[in-house]
Amino acid sequence: ETGVTQSPTHLIKTRGQQVTLRCSSQSGHNTVSWYQQALGQGPQFIFQYYREEENGRGNFPPRFSGLQFPNYSSELNVNALELDDSALYLCASSLDSGSSEQYFGPGTRLTVT
Amino acid sequence: DAKTTQPNSMESNEEEPVHLPCNHSTISGTDYIHWYRQLPSQGPEYVIHGLTSNVNNRMASLAIAEDRKSSTLILHRATLRDAAVYYCILRDPNSGGSNYKLTFGKGTLLTVNP
Repeated sequence: ETGVTQSPTHLIKTRGQQVTLRCSSQSGHNTVSWYQQALGQGPQFIFQYYREEENGRGNFPPRFSGLQFPNYSSELNVNALELDDSALYLCASSLDSGSSEQYFGPGTRLTVT
Repeated sequence: DAKTTQPNSMESNEEEPVHLPCNHSTISGTDYIHWYRQLPSQGPEYVIHGLTSNVNNRMASLAIAEDRKSSTLILHRATLRDAAVYYCILRDPNSGGSNYKLTFGKGTLLTVNP
């Protein structure tokens, strides 16, 4: 158990809709990162938040956005869903942005139809 | 980011040692070698990391070649619970810019036979 939780576990949305995924980090962890994992692939970095500010971004369009809150919770928002957005979305918390260990949650499985 | 190369899959028997190789011929002097694993239906889990010297922890050992162009993750006695995808990742914590992210490849799928 990593102490990182995500909700919901599974979600089905329709193309064009918007979705919000939630993550609760370990207490005291100032950094949260989000990853997208397509079937059969390794996780791909979306972005990272450090103390409520975006701290870096991978190769994802602006319709992927996030928020981090002072209570160690965070959100990933995806607008205008596309079929290719179907994936497992993982959040990972760490003490700070340079930490060697990232603690992953179990993920949210998003299906876009 | 420097790339890593791992076998797609490996097989082991329960209670035997497992040596998972990783090649990283373009590693820079400040890249740390990280290993994560992902059990079925779970998020990735940190296993171990090192820079130059061999490292041991309660989960595994990491053997790093003298020229650092390759490394091996060693599970001393495989159990059924060790069946997972193992990812070898290079990360420079001081490079700035993208230093924060983990760049995953496809990893090695380890099957453990009873």
